Order: sequence, then C-alpha cells, then structure tokens
Amino acid sequence: DAGVIQSPRHEVTEMGQEVTLRCKPISGHDYLFWYRQTMMRGLELLIYFNNNVPIDDSGMPEDRFSAKMPNASFSTLKIQPSEPRDSAVYFCASKQVGGNTIYFGEGSWLTVV
Amino acid sequence: AQSVAQPEDQVNVAEGNPLTVKCTYSVSGNPYLFWYVQYPNRGLQFLLKYITGDNLVKGSYGFEAEFNKSQTSFHLKKPSALVSDSALYFCAVSPPHNTDKLIFGTGTRLQVFP
Repeated sequence: DAGVIQSPRHEVTEMGQEVTLRCKPISGHDYLFWYRQTMMRGLELLIYFNNNVPIDDSGMPEDRFSAKMPNASFSTLKIQPSEPRDSAVYFCASKQVGGNTIYFGEGSWLTVV
Repeated sequence: AQSVAQPEDQVNVAEGNPLTVKCTYSVSGNPYLFWYVQYPNRGLQFLLKYITGDNLVKGSYGFEAEFNKSQTSFHLKKPSALVSDSALYFCAVSPPHNTDKLIFGTGTRLQVFP
C-alpha cells in the first residue's frame, strides 16, 4: 500500500495568501484526520472525518481554517488568509473503521512569511 | 482532564546499552496506548500498541513496551540501542469512550551515541 499521501511536502507562502493542503488516505480507510505539529503546542488534532463527514472540528483554530472531504480518497485543509503563526507541519492520517491504529502521512511543511 | 506525560525531553544512551523512554497517562478506564517514532523531516511511524492482554507488547525495530495499570505507565524499551534509533518518540493514548482520537505526549528525543 502507498500509505497516506500528502501534498505539497513543502510550501513557503506570503502572509495573506491562501494555502491548500491535500491528502489521499490509505485505500479502504474510513477515518481521516488532520493534525498540526508545532514546537510550542506539539501535536494537535484539528479535525477528523468518518465516511467523508466531519465528526469533530473543535481543534480547528479559527475561521481561517477549513477542511473538506468530497470523497473517500481526497481531503483538503485550507487556510485563508494565512498568517505567520500558521507555520507548522500539517499531518494527514487515516484509520480503518473497526481498527485502532492511525497511520500518518509524511506531512506538509508550511512556512508563512 | 485526559493527558499523556513524557517527563524527559531528551534521553541519551550509548549504542549497545538498553534504553527506556518513559510515558505516563491520565485517562479513566482502560485506554488504548501507542508509541510512534518520528525521524527528522518525516511523518510519524507506528511502533506498537497496547489494547488488551499481555502487558508486554512487542513492536517494530526491536522495541517493546510494558503496560502498568497501577502506575498508569507505558514505558518504551529496547534491550540494545542502535545509533539509527535516534529520533523523536511520541506516546499517545485513545480514551476508552472515544477510541477515534489520539492524545499525544510532548515527545522525547532519543539520542544514541556511538
């Protein structure tokens, strides 16, 4: 299996610009998670989906952040407008229904200048 | 509040020596417990998990972890460390009432010296 696939791997953007991060979960996995990793706050769960439906978005920091999952094999995390404090590594992860192990992608390393 | 504690920011060990990376948790009931490893500029890789059964679980790369319910701990161990084990290690817990979620510790950097 190819694992969780994220793109872009690295992005540098200017403050105020829109950023879109993309994720393809492992085939057959019904759960999809977006995490953010920073030095100050560690790993935080932003939002997760089950069968393409958002289940818990309480970790989304503010209205500038939005996430969608239009189908079982694709999800986006969008930041609009981006700010320097959004600089972080954003991980997508997935899990099978009935499973208990979450598998992570390689991350999208975002720098907002 | 549910939480995971990794009391050591960094653990240093000589190659060939045993290593232990500590983890304690504060979750009611019987949680699921996990260890993940993150190599530089990479994602998190699953190492091992405890769900139920034998308190000693074995995982990838020769790692193992011991679940201790009375001490609410899940320490990661390896009998003989390798330089290539140097990485960031995360302990995580899924609360029994919501096993969809993972609550992560702050991570422990393991440095193995030749």
